[in-house]
Amino acid sequence: ILNVEQSPQSLHVQEGDSTNFTCSFPSSNFYALHWYRWETAKSPEALFVMTLNGDEKKKGRISATLNTKEGYSYLYIKGSQPEDSATYLCAFSPYSGNTPLVFGKGTRLSVIA
Amino acid sequence: DSGVTQTPKHLITATGQRVTLRCSPRSGDLSVYWYQQSLDQGLQFLIQYYNGEERAKGNILERFSAQQFPDLHSELNLSSLELGDSALYFCASSTSNRAGTPLGEQFFGPGTRLTVL
Repeated sequence: ILNVEQSPQSLHVQEGDSTNFTCSFPSSNFYALHWYRWETAKSPEALFVMTLNGDEKKKGRISATLNTKEGYSYLYIKGSQPEDSATYLCAFSPYSGNTPLVFGKGTRLSVIA
Repeated sequence: DSGVTQTPKHLITATGQRVTLRCSPRSGDLSVYWYQQSLDQGLQFLIQYYNGEERAKGNILERFSAQQFPDLHSELNLSSLELGDSALYFCASSTSNRAGTPLGEQFFGPGTRLTVL
């Protein structure tokens, strides 16, 4: 059974703090790792797709790293703002064939002004 | 706006009933995926269609079925509804190769919140 674990489950930070979350996934049969940002009542929004070990991607104040050998990815947010408050979902895509995404339960971030 | 649309946004129905959820993928995307999110669970994959054909199946109950039409929109049919079927149902689409393998990210619709009373 493929399992994706995200930690922490929830996080409260002050505006301006930097923060990071972890996503753990099976290191065998890896194809791609996805990060999504999901605000309540909206569609999950794709942030990053990473496929290569050592990949680092950045979008504004948000960045992510990937370690496929040990099966983890970090998402970093620098200088958190209230609008960063959302649930951050990690999803693992195994194999290179026709397989769906396996999602973690997400990390719920609340940024307090 | 992801370009994926889902209707209805909310649905309230009674146990034993049948409902149909509808999804229109992004223009040009041939793959459609259905996911279910129940309380305290991550998104659970239900089923994938590629260009009208079923490509992958997850833990989809026998009471649930789906199809993808020639215009590429998809419908998820849920029958003999139970209280435990109350959840948020997402549709996603992606650009895929002929095998149905997604190339890049999946784009999600806003979801349909189903409440079974």
